Amino acid sequence: GESVGLHLPTLSVQEGDNSIINCAYSNSASDYFIWYKQESGKGPQFIIDIRSNMDKRQGQRVTVLLNKTVKHLSLQIAATQPGDSAVYFCAESMNSGYSTLTFGKGTMLLVSP
Amino acid sequence: GAVVSQHPSWVICKSGTSVKIECRSLDFQATTMFWYRQFPKQSLMLMATSNEGSKATYEQGVEKDKFLINHASLTLSTLTVTSAHPEDSSFYICSARDSIRAPGFQPQHFGDGTRLSIL
Repeated sequence: GESVGLHLPTLSVQEGDNSIINCAYSNSASDYFIWYKQESGKGPQFIIDIRSNMDKRQGQRVTVLLNKTVKHLSLQIAATQPGDSAVYFCAESMNSGYSTLTFGKGTMLLVSP
Repeated sequence: GAVVSQHPSWVICKSGTSVKIECRSLDFQATTMFWYRQFPKQSLMLMATSNEGSKATYEQGVEKDKFLINHASLTLSTLTVTSAHPEDSSFYICSARDSIRAPGFQPQHFGDGTRLSIL
């Protein structure tokens, strides 16, 4: 299930389940979106990106969906593994990605064996 | 590819000292690097944009005299926290984007951060 903590929403899933992490972005002029994974004590790690002229992009076990109408981004992780446990951030940028990144609040994903 | 190295990973020092953090792009060149600050269980907040060969651009509310940034080469940016105090304790993270070889729509790649603790 999904719950909202003091600072960080948390999504708890079982190993093998599919996970969906959602993000509402703020700027309708943003044209580039990125998902990052951050493990405890480390910097964010690039997962997948998508340009605003696309609505779906697939990687290895991950899919990003973009709905510009409602300014919504989602990250789908197939067959979630314990190693996927981390905090996931969406980020948006303008000007073909040359502008600075604005990060979302983040979602903690907890995967139980 | 696209590896960013940050050093040191962890530092503890006394109040009033200055601390320098290095950010290096190891396998690409970056005209622009970025410095972020992150508090526990919160998102990354951009502090400043480091521009090679010119002055850094600071975000609103970030003291440029407190957080000195130098970007002297295409692979190195440094952040110096001057006269650090306990309220400066935080996780500082840098990032860089391959802005020479690649055109637009390139993600920022992040270092592993520096945990700064001021006693």
